[in-house]
Amino acid sequence: GQQVMQIPQYQHVQEGEDFTTYCNSSTTLSNIQWYKQRPGGHPVFLIQLVKSGEVKKQKRLTFQFGEAKKNSSLHITATQTTDVGTYFCAGPTGYALNFGKGTSLLVTP
Amino acid sequence: ETGVTQSPTHLIKTRGQQVTLRCSSQSGHNTVSWYQQALGQGPQFIFQYYREEENGRGNFPPRFSGLQFPNYSSELNVNALELDDSALYLCASSPRDGPYEQYFGPGTRLTVT
Repeated sequence: GQQVMQIPQYQHVQEGEDFTTYCNSSTTLSNIQWYKQRPGGHPVFLIQLVKSGEVKKQKRLTFQFGEAKKNSSLHITATQTTDVGTYFCAGPTGYALNFGKGTSLLVTP
Repeated sequence: ETGVTQSPTHLIKTRGQQVTLRCSSQSGHNTVSWYQQALGQGPQFIFQYYREEENGRGNFPPRFSGLQFPNYSSELNVNALELDDSALYLCASSPRDGPYEQYFGPGTRLTVT
């Protein structure tokens, strides 16, 4: 079945440094979604990408969907302590959303 | 606008028992999905309900069952609890059926001893 893989598993940065997490699917996706989960919290929807090669920005966050619609990335510019959490990508398979294992970001002030 | 709510927040059960978890969807949302999240893992899709019918199901045994009510709220029932069922159970609602943006509730932390 479809697998969604994320790298790295963990990332520790100094505040102000950039951060990137990568998501790869074993199959072509109709869309890719990104979620953020703060420690002790629940996943919060960030964005959905649909088109091949699509790039969307939310303030310091840049999301990209690959040309082949099998990979995606999330880049955070100049991280802040409020960016701490686990970032998940998720791709659809039938009615289900298949989540990756996430990338946990730790930001040191 | 009221967000997704879940009850209870925490629950401790013994192996072999049965449990019912409850979820109220966000106002205006007609679709509810349930996920299991083990520690350090991403959410795993259990099933989705739309118009009171199960839409799709993940790789979970039949002892995981659910209901959706006319007001779009939902229940997740788990029979014959096993130790591996210990996890955070997340309910998510969406304004449309299918694998689209999910709005998660705070979850129910289930511990099976």
